[in-house]
Amino acid sequence: EVQLVESGGDLVQPGRSLRLSCAASGFTLEDHAMHWVRQVPGKGLEWVSGISWRSDSIAYADSVRGRFTISRDNAKNALYLEMNSLRADDTALYFCARDKNGGFWSRYWWFDLWGRGTRVTVSS
Amino acid sequence: EIVMTQSPAILSVSPGERATLSCRASQSVSGNLAWYQQKPGQAPRLLIYGASTRATGIPARFSGSGSGTEFTLTISSLQSEDFAVYFCQQYNNWWTFGQGTKVEVK
Repeated sequence: EVQLVESGGDLVQPGRSLRLSCAASGFTLEDHAMHWVRQVPGKGLEWVSGISWRSDSIAYADSVRGRFTISRDNAKNALYLEMNSLRADDTALYFCARDKNGGFWSRYWWFDLWGRGTRVTVSS
Repeated sequence: EIVMTQSPAILSVSPGERATLSCRASQSVSGNLAWYQQKPGQAPRLLIYGASTRATGIPARFSGSGSGTEFTLTISSLQSEDFAVYFCQQYNNWWTFGQGTKVEVK
């Protein structure tokens, strides 16, 4: 079955770190750029970060740049998001999403597969 | 940043009726617009890309139209499984999403 499964979400204190993982199955991860998107409860979706198929192009939203790091291991069919210096406003459901294309060097594409998400709560 | 605005926030429709959802961009996104469906506890599902092209496996009752700054998602005859939240996304300049329209049973 073609799917993405996120894990690693937890309740953490402000200032602490957390690492999210996304396991891909049923397709070849290295054919696609990948993204993290988050959703604050009851609100819309916010793109967080994206990484091209061979990690040669990486991008972050302004809200997380300098604190979050996206990475991938194509051999393990896995995507990661290292989150440092977490703040209360990082509390959200985090989705990984597959890009239609391998990268976003000259133009952008839609997301054709999503996971169910993993919940991150930042609170003391 | 391109801001996407969806309306209405909540749409109450009876099964079998037509639903029309709107999405407006703060600047032109050409035809680089996608629609997604989200149900509680499930992964968002791609419905439409390129403003009007249905994704694989999406029923013909879903249709998209528009270009530039004004877009519409139409569900011609609502089925029980269509009651959900719908998001638009522009991918013309990075990626931003609308805040969603909840389609609920009238």
